[in-house]
Amino acid sequence: EVQLVQSGPEVKKPGESLKIACRGSGYIFSSYWIGWVRQMPGKGLEWMGSIYPADSDTRYSPSFQGQVTISADKSIGTAYLQWNSLQASDTAMYYCARRSTYHDYWGQGTLVTVSS
Amino acid sequence: EIVMTQSPATLSVSPGERATLSCRASQSVSNDLAWYQQKPGQAPRLLIYSASTRATGIPARFSGSGSGTEFTLSISSLQSEDFAVYYCQQYNNWPPYTFGQGTKLEIK
Repeated sequence: EVQLVQSGPEVKKPGESLKIACRGSGYIFSSYWIGWVRQMPGKGLEWMGSIYPADSDTRYSPSFQGQVTISADKSIGTAYLQWNSLQASDTAMYYCARRSTYHDYWGQGTLVTVSS
Repeated sequence: EIVMTQSPATLSVSPGERATLSCRASQSVSNDLAWYQQKPGQAPRLLIYSASTRATGIPARFSGSGSGTEFTLSISSLQSEDFAVYYCQQYNNWPPYTFGQGTKLEIK
């Protein structure tokens, strides 16, 4: 059974750094792109970027380029989303999703709250 | 960037009736279009891909149609569990993948 399991909720202060995780199982992790999707409170879905774990090829949405870093460790089947300096506007639910060509399996989401 | 526009923003339909949701792309995406369902507090779930192919385990009352720039998601005989927010997404031209803003399907 394909599963994507994300790390738990986070509460951070503005300016702090953060790295959240998404662990894949039940399939060959290296063979599928993993994407990250943001959902701000009460809003829609925004694709942030994707990584191909086999070679770490990474693509970003122009809206998120330079704001976050996506990485992966194929040896442990885990993808990451990282911020160097969080802002209050980063408060959102973040989902990882496996990409075939469409996004067929989704993680349960990681809620990130940034507040002073 | 391809802009996806969904209509209406909110659709009120009675249980047992049919719902029709629309999605328009700012340029042709061929049939590289997916539909997702999201219920409150849950992750999105893939319903339809390639514009008209149901994902595994999706009931036959869900159907998708269209190609190019105009797409439709139809749900026949609405069940209580179908009331949710629905998103379309194009995957023809990326980055970026782009989603529509969503249609909220509510009980009339």
